[in-house]
Amino acid sequence: DGGITQSPKYLFRKEGQNVTLSCEQNLNHDAMYWYRQDPGQGLRLIYYSQIVNDFQKGDIAEGYSVSREKKESFPLTVTSAQKNPTAFYLCASKRAEGGEKLFFGSGTQLSVL
Amino acid sequence: RKEVEQDPGPFNVPEGATVAFNCTYSNSASQSFFWYRQDCRKEPKLLMSVYSSGNEDGRFTAQLNRASQYISLLIRDSKLSDSATYLCVVNIWAGGFKTIFGAGTRLFVKA
Repeated sequence: DGGITQSPKYLFRKEGQNVTLSCEQNLNHDAMYWYRQDPGQGLRLIYYSQIVNDFQKGDIAEGYSVSREKKESFPLTVTSAQKNPTAFYLCASKRAEGGEKLFFGSGTQLSVL
Repeated sequence: RKEVEQDPGPFNVPEGATVAFNCTYSNSASQSFFWYRQDCRKEPKLLMSVYSSGNEDGRFTAQLNRASQYISLLIRDSKLSDSATYLCVVNIWAGGFKTIFGAGTRLFVKA
């Protein structure tokens, strides 16, 4: 079945540590996105990519980095510069950058030890 | 002012009740509109797209009012399984498409 796979489901980060969240899709979608969700708030865009080897900052990119070396994969690194990383992270994709609906992965809950 | 605003609720309703959610958006360049459902600590899932002519899917009816810049979701004959957070989502054209999420409206359906 086609879909988006995020891993791990739960992740713990120590102070000063970089951690990477995985996102893989087999939907043949060009556009991929990373969102952060805090309790009681809407999704906020961290980074997005419309094509391989290209990506743009979203509204809250500071303290995060991404890569898009393959169409299927869009990993997100939460760096030590992100001082408040505890949140629910969602990866999403759609066929092309446009007004279509988004398909979401099941999310990663990141917490700080 | 937020680009997409929703009443956070929570809405507490008994089974069988009819409940309506509203969502307002501020950008007149908004192109497409959706309602997503999100269960606690799960990913959002598309409930339905919203069209100007209004559309219905079983117990769910969505309406769009472009002149007043709001969309609505009506749930009839509420079930316990409808308990979730409902997200209003708007796609805006701003030199490229941008997807804006509302903060969501919590619904609790009680037996």
